[in-house]
Amino acid sequence: DQQVKQNSPSLSVQEGRISILNCDYTNSMFDYFLWYKKYPAEGPTFLISISSIKDKNEDGRFTVFLNKSAKHLSLHIVPSQPGDSAVYFCATIKAAGNKLTFGGGTRVLVKP
Amino acid sequence: DTGVSQNPRHKITKRGQNVTFRCDPISEHNRLYWYRQTLGQGPEFLTYFQNEAQLEKSRLLSDRFSAERPKGSFSTLEIQRTEQGDSAMYLCASSSGGFSGNTIYFGEGSWLTVV
Repeated sequence: DQQVKQNSPSLSVQEGRISILNCDYTNSMFDYFLWYKKYPAEGPTFLISISSIKDKNEDGRFTVFLNKSAKHLSLHIVPSQPGDSAVYFCATIKAAGNKLTFGGGTRVLVKP
Repeated sequence: DTGVSQNPRHKITKRGQNVTFRCDPISEHNRLYWYRQTLGQGPEFLTYFQNEAQLEKSRLLSDRFSAERPKGSFSTLEIQRTEQGDSAMYLCASSSGGFSGNTIYFGEGSWLTVV
């Protein structure tokens, strides 16, 4: 069973516009939700996270929104830049747990 | 701090051969994780060490897979009698203390191709 799902495998956006990435989860027991960015042939790098007790966290161009009742989180990137072109993974973890559970990823292409 | 280091970065092996990957975590990180990522999928958890103790193993880790972390420093992941389905990127990550949202750091991964 897939506990974390990213239903959009790819996204194309014009430079300067907003990128919105979505993620759905099934387990209400997760304590943290994270977004990782991954370039080809590299490991994932941490981007931004949010605690389950919050509904929004912002860091520069990146904002993560959490809707617990819908079990949905999203990542907004604004303005999008060509360097943002990568695969983005959402992930979840329990505070007392030791493993991240990842979604399948969304490939973002930012066109100049 | 040089980050999480993994070797080799790429490995091509024939089906049935054994392979070993090494991970050097960030110094003084007591927690070490192995993940596997196949094309088009997100990373999947394989196993977790706290210091030298292997505390959790995924059911994905068949008996052909073995991981060790002697002395609580570097770790090795060995795959015996490789199969084509083992072709994937093997990711190592490390962290210190309890989770606080951004403290899990990944290495660049080791690509395995089984032919």
